[in-house]
Amino acid sequence: EAGVAQSPRYKIIEKRQSVAFWCNPISGHATLYWYQQILGQGPKLLIQFQNNGVVDDSQLPKDRFSAERLKGVDSTLKIQPAKLEDSAVYLCASSLKTGIDTGELFFGEGSRLTVL
Amino acid sequence: AQSVTQPDIHITVSEGASLELRCNYSYGATPYLFWYVQSPGQGLQLLLKYFSGDTLVQGIKGFEAEFKRSQSSFNLRKPSVHWSDAAEYFCAVGAHSGTYKYIFGTGTRLKVLA
Repeated sequence: EAGVAQSPRYKIIEKRQSVAFWCNPISGHATLYWYQQILGQGPKLLIQFQNNGVVDDSQLPKDRFSAERLKGVDSTLKIQPAKLEDSAVYLCASSLKTGIDTGELFFGEGSRLTVL
Repeated sequence: AQSVTQPDIHITVSEGASLELRCNYSYGATPYLFWYVQSPGQGLQLLLKYFSGDTLVQGIKGFEAEFKRSQSSFNLRKPSVHWSDAAEYFCAVGAHSGTYKYIFGTGTRLKVLA
């Protein structure tokens, strides 16, 4: 079974530029999450999708971050314009359902963003 | 508000020694608790989870964790550490606040000495 795919693995940009990250979840997983992991911190949820609908985006900085999952499968996370503090690893995860009792999030390897 | 505290940022143990990683949570209801491991450059992998029932849960790679409600703790243990266990370990609590969400601790980085 293929895992969660993310690209690119690494990206270096200058502040005020834009960047986009792509995620393809495990086939059949209805729920998709984007997490931000800043060095030395635990993952912080940015946005959660159930199929192609947003379940939770309360911690997404909507003035600069956007995400979509148009067909309920793969997803794109965009940052525009980027700030220095956006330097982090962006993790995509998926699960079968949105309920906590599914028990497990499956994570991709992450996309490391460096903003200069 | 729900929160997870991992008091140890770094832990160093010798190979073959026992290991205990601490995790304390704050949550008003019965929590769902998880331990994840992250190797360098990799995503997070589930080690074990607690939903209900037996408070001692077994996971992959020889890890176990014990849920202690009175102490609001869910500490991770392994009787004999291998060099390949060097990684970062995250405790997480599953909380329901409108929707279900996972709240992660800040992690404990484990170093294993040969």
